[in-house]
Amino acid sequence: DAGITQSPRYKITETGRQVTLMCHQTWSHSYMFWYRQDLGHGLRLIYYSAAADITDKGEVPDGYVVSRSKTENFPLTLESATRSQTSVYFCASSTNAREQFFGPGTRLTVL
Amino acid sequence: SQQGEEDPQALSIQEGENATMNCSYKTSINNLQWYRQNSGRGLVHLILIRSNEREKHSGRLRVTLDTSKKSSSLLITASRAADTASYFCATDFQGAQKLVFGQGTRLTINP
Repeated sequence: DAGITQSPRYKITETGRQVTLMCHQTWSHSYMFWYRQDLGHGLRLIYYSAAADITDKGEVPDGYVVSRSKTENFPLTLESATRSQTSVYFCASSTNAREQFFGPGTRLTVL
Repeated sequence: SQQGEEDPQALSIQEGENATMNCSYKTSINNLQWYRQNSGRGLVHLILIRSNEREKHSGRLRVTLDTSKKSSSLLITASRAADTASYFCATDFQGAQKLVFGQGTRLTINP
């Protein structure tokens, strides 16, 4: 199906483990974004990418790594998961960083 | 820190009534957007208003922007049960190629 997808939709992991969240879009949008959503904080930008091989930090990048070798994929890796990274993660894409199209989200629990 | 702040945090009204939500921001912007989020889903773009516009309409939605007060309002007329969702404003401030979201207004439409 066309659009933007995220996998997995739900993930439970343990403290210290590496976790990768996947994001795939079929529109060939140049911009892609990763947000986390927590109660009391709204959406906060983790990392974004303006094009393949171009990434930049957002508001809360610590503990996360991204890569963008292909335009359509933008994986987010938690190198050593911590309980504070328990959250709902949203990926989004855009042609111009204005109107953004969001994926369905990944609910991550770190025990 | 958050660029946009919504008010009220929660709003409950009867079906058929109008709902008004407000957003304030801190720095000069290129444009302001409103998004809707249904429970457990990703955000959906509703409307974008540019910094040189004062009012914009889309169906039952009316958005105003007052750059002198650094504030915006979203009016939903003739509310329906399906309008129950959280609504977020997002600002695209000058020089940045990313959005900053507020914490959202949770709207409940009672039948």
